[in-house]
Amino acid sequence: QQPVQSPQAVILREGEDAVINCSSSKALYSVHWYRQKHGEAPVFLMILLKGGEQKGHDKISASFNEKKQQSSLYLTASQLSYSGTYFCGTEGNAGNMLTFGGGTRLMVKP
Amino acid sequence: DVKVTQSSRYLVKRTGEKVFLECVQDMDHENMFWYRQDPGLGLRLIYFSYDVKMKEKGDIPEGYSVSREKKERFSLILESASTNQTSMYLCASSLVTKWGGYTFGSGTRLTVV
Repeated sequence: QQPVQSPQAVILREGEDAVINCSSSKALYSVHWYRQKHGEAPVFLMILLKGGEQKGHDKISASFNEKKQQSSLYLTASQLSYSGTYFCGTEGNAGNMLTFGGGTRLMVKP
Repeated sequence: DVKVTQSSRYLVKRTGEKVFLECVQDMDHENMFWYRQDPGLGLRLIYFSYDVKMKEKGDIPEGYSVSREKKERFSLILESASTNQTSMYLCASSLVTKWGGYTFGSGTRLTVV
């Protein structure tokens, strides 16, 4: 079952903050975050593992609540380059494939 | 950098045709995946492969098959294309580690008429 992302879309001014949420109905081993710009391939941003480890982008942070099967991506002091569609991908067991959410479209305006 | 290359950026095929979508990665990744992307539905997994000649069905395998004869190449086959298979198809690869983030290709926009 696909994780649910919220909000579906958000518009920001440069310098503002945003939070994108990802919620799953099943226990998770890991959560991935990707950003896709229009007409381009999704690009890996971060991975958060059960147990607290995480690895990824140095200007973007995220959290993973294992008990609630929820993850949040925090975009602070947003830049124009942050515009795009953000996807979370969830992994139920180590080594399984990712199931992606429907995406959150983020637009940053000057 | 890892590169995942999809052979065609745009394809137009007729209903009933057999369609081959090719994907090649150059960094010795064990895992390879085919997803389709439709507006509002995100990315849905069609098939994945964790080794040569090994494959597993994803969430929407009906109407598709795959082939992985070499580690670097993963092909998606539409046995008899239908209009409801018009979509963006994305190939991805990853290492088998806990840090195995996906590297995606640029996608193939397939239109079935």
